[in-house]
Amino acid sequence: EAEVAQSPRYKITEKSQAVAFWCDPISGHATLYWYRQILGQGPELLVQFQDESVVDDSQLPKDRFSAERLKGVDSTLKIQPAELGDSAMYLCASSLSFNYGYTFGSGTRLTVV
Amino acid sequence: QKEVEQNSGPLSVPEGAIASLNCTYSDRGSQSFFWYRQYSGKSPELIMFIYSNGDKEDGRFTAQLNKASQYVSLLIRDSQPSDSATYLCAVKSATGNQFYFGTGTSLTVIP
Repeated sequence: EAEVAQSPRYKITEKSQAVAFWCDPISGHATLYWYRQILGQGPELLVQFQDESVVDDSQLPKDRFSAERLKGVDSTLKIQPAELGDSAMYLCASSLSFNYGYTFGSGTRLTVV
Repeated sequence: QKEVEQNSGPLSVPEGAIASLNCTYSDRGSQSFFWYRQYSGKSPELIMFIYSNGDKEDGRFTAQLNKASQYVSLLIRDSQPSDSATYLCAVKSATGNQFYFGTGTSLTVIP
């Protein structure tokens, strides 16, 4: 079964450092999402791509977060500088189109110390 | 008011019983509704989706949608200990392309 690949699985970083996460969606999925999930809460959308274009980044803290999907395939989410409140699970998901449910990757658990 | 609301639980049912999970949403124009299961420390996995009013069955799972009441539910028949997880309700916004997630309901099936 096709999967959304994410790396790393776990990341511990000191506050004020830079950190990056990588995601490779299911082949053929044009829509890619980055979500953040704080423990005990539901996922919250950070950024949504359609191919290489950003569709929605209204909830992305742009002073410290950036995301790109240069060739419309894999994507990178970066945080610089990391803050203690960024500790969360970062989930990447992809879908064929907007009307389909997502398939999530295994996520990256970020701990900022 | 949150876009999607779920009772956080925890909900406990004995093995073999029916588990009923509920979700309400605020956007009356929403058309697509999804249920995800999330085991502790894992990512969510899609288990059901429903677009039309009424019931949709898939194995032991039944999704129910009532757009007039802005209510969607998930029934799990013959609950098994392996069903113990957090169940997330997700609703696609009517005006945009975003899915809104509830905070999830924690279900424990007691052997």
